[in-house]
Amino acid sequence: AQSVTQLDSQVPVFEEAPVELRCNYSSSVSVYLFWYVQYPNQGLQLLLKYLSGSTLVKGINGFEAEFNKSQTSFHLRKPSVHISDTAEYFCAVSDSGGSYIPTFGRGTSLIVHP
Amino acid sequence: NAGVTQTPKFRVLKTGQSMTLLCAQDMNHEYMYWYRQDPGMGLRLIHYSVGEGTTAKGEVPDGYNVSRLKKQNFLLGLESAAPSQTSVYFCASSRERTSGTDEQFFGPGTRLTVL
Repeated sequence: AQSVTQLDSQVPVFEEAPVELRCNYSSSVSVYLFWYVQYPNQGLQLLLKYLSGSTLVKGINGFEAEFNKSQTSFHLRKPSVHISDTAEYFCAVSDSGGSYIPTFGRGTSLIVHP
Repeated sequence: NAGVTQTPKFRVLKTGQSMTLLCAQDMNHEYMYWYRQDPGMGLRLIHYSVGEGTTAKGEVPDGYNVSRLKKQNFLLGLESAAPSQTSVYFCASSRERTSGTDEQFFGPGTRLTVL
């Protein structure tokens, strides 16, 4: 069975500072990894996904994530955040050997201060 | 394309009342899902469907029933609402049915309060 751990429930940061949101997963087979963003009072939308190939994945709004198989991690980064990046961020994993239903982490609340 | 829509957006129920939440998607997706979101708990899967006429239990199915009579619609029912079912409910859909590589598309959510 697969599982996802988001190590930080809340990450406060000042505007224009860099940020990293951490995600670790466990699975016994090949995985597919996703980051979703949820703005206040909205549904989730896809930021980026890793399926195969290059371990550095670029997404929307200047975000990127790096797949590290040896550390079973898929951390999300942005070099300079904006107030508008304040949102909840969810990491999700699905694998190639099961029902293909993704498992979500508990989410990280990114709070950008002016 | 409207994407994934949910009806209603808000609802207040009394304990013991019943209701049905409707999810509709216009993307011809095979998979559909119902989640609940509670503070500090992330998204928890209630039920899902891998195609018209099929449903399966997720992580927290107790107290809920679902039906997928038409491919584009996925209904979530609460037969006898309890305060523990106060939550925000999200519906999602995805295209792929055999690989796990496709992302999910989410609706805007339904905020349910059970008094």
